[in-house]
Amino acid sequence: DGGITQSPKYLFRKEGQNVTLSCEQNLNHDAMYWYRQDPGQGLRLIYYSQIVNDFQKGDIAEGYSVSREKKESFPLTVTSAQKNPTAFYLCASSPRGTANTGELFFGEGSRLTVL
Amino acid sequence: RKEVEQDPGPFNVPEGATVAFNCTYSNSASQSFFWYRQDCRKEPKLLMSVYSSGNEDGRFTAQLNRASQYISLLIRDSKLSDSATYLCVVNRAYNFNKFYFGSGTKLNVKP
Repeated sequence: DGGITQSPKYLFRKEGQNVTLSCEQNLNHDAMYWYRQDPGQGLRLIYYSQIVNDFQKGDIAEGYSVSREKKESFPLTVTSAQKNPTAFYLCASSPRGTANTGELFFGEGSRLTVL
Repeated sequence: RKEVEQDPGPFNVPEGATVAFNCTYSNSASQSFFWYRQDCRKEPKLLMSVYSSGNEDGRFTAQLNRASQYISLLIRDSKLSDSATYLCVVNRAYNFNKFYFGSGTKLNVKP
């Protein structure tokens, strides 16, 4: 079945450690995104990529890094520089040219807790 | 000012009730509008797009008012299964595929 797979679903990290969240899609979508969601808040865009080997910062990119070496994969690294990393992280993808259809396809999310 | 603002609720309604949510957006250049549904601790899923002329999908009706920069969602004959958080989403066409999410309105449908 086509879809987006995020892993791990739950992750605990000690302060000062980097952690990488995986996101893989087999939908052949060009665009991929990382969002962060905190309790009672909307999704905030961390990074997005419209094409392989290219990505742009979103609204809250500080303390995060990404790569887009393959169309299917868009991993997110939460670095120790991120001051408040505990959150629900959502990866999404969309086909090219969907500005008017709005269909973002989300993974099931990764819940990161910093101890 | 936030790009997209919503009343967080919760809206507590009995089964069978009609309920309406509004959402306002700040950028008049916004081009496309959507409602997503998010169940507790799950990922958001597209409920419906919102077209200029308004559109309906079963019990759900979406309206857009560009002059006042607000979007609405009306749910008729509420079901228990409608209990969720409803997210208003806006996209600026010139900012390719960059979506802005509201913080969501929580709906609780009671028996």
